[in-house]
Amino acid sequence: DSGVTQTPKHLITATGQRVTLRCSPRSGDLSVYWYQQSLDQGLQFLIQYYNGEERAKGNILERFSAQQFPDLHSELNLSSLELGDSALYFCASSVAVDRYYGYTFGSGTRLTVV
Amino acid sequence: DAKTTQPNSMESNEEEPVHLPCNHSTISGTDYIHWYRQLPSQGPEYVIHGLTSNVNNRMASLAIAEDRKSSTLILHRATLRDAAVYYCILRDKVDYGGSQGNLIFGKGTKLSVKP
Repeated sequence: DSGVTQTPKHLITATGQRVTLRCSPRSGDLSVYWYQQSLDQGLQFLIQYYNGEERAKGNILERFSAQQFPDLHSELNLSSLELGDSALYFCASSVAVDRYYGYTFGSGTRLTVV
Repeated sequence: DAKTTQPNSMESNEEEPVHLPCNHSTISGTDYIHWYRQLPSQGPEYVIHGLTSNVNNRMASLAIAEDRKSSTLILHRATLRDAAVYYCILRDKVDYGGSQGNLIFGKGTKLSVKP
């Protein structure tokens, strides 16, 4: 157990639907990062939050959004789902943006869009 | 971020040392060298990082060339549990200031360990 909790572990949904992925960071970590991993693209950075504020954006589609709540957990919302959104979605956390302690990743949510 | 080059795959025998190479010829003076690994069906896991000097921790050693254009991750005694994809990533320490917090993953090296 890495200390980063992601729920659900598996999700199967239909095209056009909307889903919410949840991430609880390791205790004390203020930064949360979301990554998408598909077979042909590898690990792609989506978005980063630090203490509730968005800090960096990667290749995140407009259909996707995220937020970090006051208790520091984060949610990634995926809407108007397409077959190509099927992937593993990882959340990672770290202590602070301004010092490097290593990122701790969760075990991921496997999303299957049918 | 500067680019890294790693072999697509490597094989090792159990209980033997493994040297995983990484080339980063365009590394800047403020780039840290990071290694992560991803075991099958799991999220990536931090292994080690360094700037100029060689580094050791409980998981591995990092040997950095004097010109910093290459580095080697050393697993001293490979176990079956070390079979994973190993990623070598450069990250500017300026990024630690908060402007860009993300790690950019390449394709990595898939390490197979034979019993």
